[in-house]
Amino acid sequence: ITLKESGPTLVKPTQTLMLTCSFSGFSLSTPPEGVGWIRQPPGKALEWLALIFWHDDKRYNPSLRGRLTVTKDTSRNQVVLKMTDMDPADTGTYFCAHTSLATSSLDPWGRGTLVTVS
Amino acid sequence: SYELTQPPSVSVSPGQTATITCSGDKLGDKYISWYQQQPGRSPVAVIHRDFERSSGIPERFSGSTSEHTATLTIRGTQATDEADYYCQAWDSTTAMFGGGTKLTVL
Repeated sequence: ITLKESGPTLVKPTQTLMLTCSFSGFSLSTPPEGVGWIRQPPGKALEWLALIFWHDDKRYNPSLRGRLTVTKDTSRNQVVLKMTDMDPADTGTYFCAHTSLATSSLDPWGRGTLVTVS
Repeated sequence: SYELTQPPSVSVSPGQTATITCSGDKLGDKYISWYQQQPGRSPVAVIHRDFERSSGIPERFSGSTSEHTATLTIRGTQATDEADYYCQAWDSTTAMFGGGTKLTVL
C-alpha cells in the first residue's frame, strides 16, 4: 500500500485548500478500507482531521467541523480533502494514511505535503 | 472535544524499559493506537487495538489499556527507538491524538 498527497504549497488567508490523496494497493470500494487525513504544524503534535470509509461513512474532528469536507473517487483511487477559510494557523504538513475498520489504525502514511498559509 | 494527555518527555537508558502513558476519559470504550515518528519522517504505526503489534514491529513493543490510561512499553530500548510517540483513541465518531511524548535514549 502506498499513498501520496498533492496540492498547493501556498494558499492565502480565507482561501479554500483542496488536497488530493492518491493511493494504490487497496480499493476504497471494498470493506473495511478507509483513508484518514492528519496534519502537523511545524514542531507541533499530530492532529487528526477526517476519515472516510468504503461505504462513505465520514468522520470529522469536531473542532474543525464545518470547515472540512472529505470525498472519495473510487474509480481513480483518490480521496480529496477540502478545508475552507484557511488561516496562518493552518500552516503545516498534511498527511493522508490508509486505515481499516479491522485495525482502527492509520497504516501506512503518505510522505506528507507542506502547506503554508500566508 | 475529547482530550488525551501524554507526558511531554520520557528518558530511558539503553537496554532499559521505557513506559509512555496516555490518559483520557473512558479509554476502555475506545481502541488505542500508538505511532512512532522519527525526525523528518512520517509516523509509523506500532500498536493498534490496544495491544496488537503492527506489521514489522519488534516484540519488545507492547501496549496495554485500562479504564483511563493506555501504556506503550518498550523493553530493551535501543538508540533507534528515540522518537516522538503519539497515542490515538478511536471510537465510532472520532480518532483523536494525544499531544505526543519525546522519548530520549541516553
